[in-house]
Amino acid sequence: ETGVTQSPTHLIKTRGQQVTLRCSSQSGHNTVSWYQQALGQGPQFIFQYYREEENGRGNFPPRFSGLQFPNYSSELNVNALELDDSALYLCASSLELAGGQETQYFGPGTRLLVL
Amino acid sequence: GDSVTQMEGPVTLSEEAFLTINCTYTATGYPSLFWYVQYPGEGLQLLLKATKADDKGSNKGFEATYRKETTSFHLEKGSVQVSDSAVYFCALSEGNSGYALNFGKGTSLLVTP
Repeated sequence: ETGVTQSPTHLIKTRGQQVTLRCSSQSGHNTVSWYQQALGQGPQFIFQYYREEENGRGNFPPRFSGLQFPNYSSELNVNALELDDSALYLCASSLELAGGQETQYFGPGTRLLVL
Repeated sequence: GDSVTQMEGPVTLSEEAFLTINCTYTATGYPSLFWYVQYPGEGLQLLLKATKADDKGSNKGFEATYRKETTSFHLEKGSVQVSDSAVYFCALSEGNSGYALNFGKGTSLLVTP
């Protein structure tokens, strides 16, 4: 158990809809990262939030957006869903210090199916 | 840019066999290196890590050594068990990329009794 939780566990949407996925970080962690894992592939970095601000972004379009709240929980929002957005979405929390970032610990993921 | 290359699977071994999963990387600086494991239907679990050259990470009988000269971080275990059946991901992170994890495609391991 990593102490990172995600909701919902599964979700089915149709093309063009919007979706919000949620993540609760491990206690004491101030950084959250989101990853997309397509079937049979390694996770791809979407973006990272540190103290409520975006701290880095991978090669994903602007319709992927996020929020981090004062209690360090986080949301991933995806607008105008496409069939290729079907994937397992993973969040990972970590502690960023002046000397660097500690290990990222992953939640169980949300499996999104877009029809 | 940074990248990680893993040997392709699936890898099928008999219980108590020796395991090696190869991983090589390309990076601009001095990355930290990780092995994560994903059991069926679950998220990723950190298996081991190494943060500088010649460091050896180890956990649950698995080991990997950070080899800067060969840009490699191969995963090994002397005697695998059926419960080790999972997908293994090699990954790196660098400070100059915000510590985002850059993963390989994963190697599926099946251990048979």
